[in-house]
Amino acid sequence: QKEVEQNSGPLSVPEGAIASLNCTYSDRVSQSFFWYRQYSGKSPELIMSIYSNGDKEDGRFTAQLNKASQYVSLLIRDSQPSDSATYLCAVPWRGGYNKLIFGAGTRLAVHP
Amino acid sequence: ETGVTQTPRHLVMGMTNKKSLKCEQHLGHNAMYWYKQSAKKPLELMFVYSLEERVENNSVPSRFSPECPNSSHLFLHLHTLQPEDSALYLCASSQDARGETQYFGPGTRLLVL
Repeated sequence: QKEVEQNSGPLSVPEGAIASLNCTYSDRVSQSFFWYRQYSGKSPELIMSIYSNGDKEDGRFTAQLNKASQYVSLLIRDSQPSDSATYLCAVPWRGGYNKLIFGAGTRLAVHP
Repeated sequence: ETGVTQTPRHLVMGMTNKKSLKCEQHLGHNAMYWYKQSAKKPLELMFVYSLEERVENNSVPSRFSPECPNSSHLFLHLHTLQPEDSALYLCASSQDARGETQYFGPGTRLLVL
């Protein structure tokens, strides 16, 4: 089983809709979770972090965490074409230093 | 550019060449990382440096040789690479090796012929 799994997509949504991106992880002791956005040809950019079960909202973005189900998701409300990118889920490795394990990413396409 | 910078942004090299990638962070961080990103594969961690000491060598072939002369600079020396080494090489930094928020540079797009 991969340590961090994401559906590669593409996930296609119309402008103004809610985009829902999902991520599952295998390490039950993981305590923090990160979502990075990567535009084509660019480097990853951190957009959300979440540490506690439940929802965390930041503007149009909401991260949802369910540790019992080992599941973290990212919702993008009022999706815009500028949100079209690959979204990477990342989970720190349990070792003594920060080694982030990245999922392969989900490609999101928002069409007008 | 501020934050994390990388040079060159693009590099084409032959299999017998020697080249170096440079990364510089202007954030006052103490940990720096090299990642490899190949098409349709997850980001792969290559090396981690904390306070200029290498704390991770993630089974990377010896044709990749990192160097961290100080906490602001990180190099990746390349020698006798293979075509399958063609990828986007990303540098990142974080406050320390326990800090979980990593900031990425723009990357170097490497093509090995």
